[in-house]
Amino acid sequence: AQSVTQPDIHITVSEGASLELRCNYSYGATPYLFWYVQSPGQGLQLLLKYFSGDTLVQGIKGFEAEFKRSQSSFNLRKPSVHWSDAAEYFCAVGRGGSQGNLIFGKGTKLSVKP
Amino acid sequence: GAVVSQHPSRVICKSGTSVKIECRSLDFQATTMFWYRQFPKQSLMLMATSNEGSKATYEQGVEKDKFLINHASLTLSTLTVTSAHPEDSSFYICSARFRGGGVWQFFGPGTRLTVL
Repeated sequence: AQSVTQPDIHITVSEGASLELRCNYSYGATPYLFWYVQSPGQGLQLLLKYFSGDTLVQGIKGFEAEFKRSQSSFNLRKPSVHWSDAAEYFCAVGRGGSQGNLIFGKGTKLSVKP
Repeated sequence: GAVVSQHPSRVICKSGTSVKIECRSLDFQATTMFWYRQFPKQSLMLMATSNEGSKATYEQGVEKDKFLINHASLTLSTLTVTSAHPEDSSFYICSARFRGGGVWQFFGPGTRLTVL
């Protein structure tokens, strides 16, 4: 069965420091991978996605993620975190075909220290 | 483009009443809409998938008689929580997909339901 694991429940980084949020997936075929961000009480905003091609994908707000098939990982990175990046981050894997629904990880809460 | 709205954004109701949540795709035709539920500090769990003009497909463990989903048009899906109880209090999020969109979904802002 498909699954997504985000090993870190809560991460705190200092403003200006680099960030890496981990995501591992289990999927029987080539996955469609997503990172979403959710601010408190809000819906989801798509940061970036991987469908195929270049394994390093660029997203909005200065985020990037790298797909590593050998490690079944899709880690999210940002070289310099801003206080406004504090939020909950969800990794998701999508089923292809007619279903098309997403399976989400449990999320990683990011706190940013001034 | 590809904006999805939800109404209401917040609703508080008494136990035993029914609550309807609307999900609208504002600038595209959504052949498929998904309903997710998110408990505090938890992830999103898919409740059901609805295709325009047909019955919704519910995930295992989701009571279809309690969570009524209607997708009557290409821009509107509704979720009705019937006879709501405090344990139904949650954040409900919908997403929409256009025809041929594959896994590409656009999410609504969510609805916070509190049942007293």
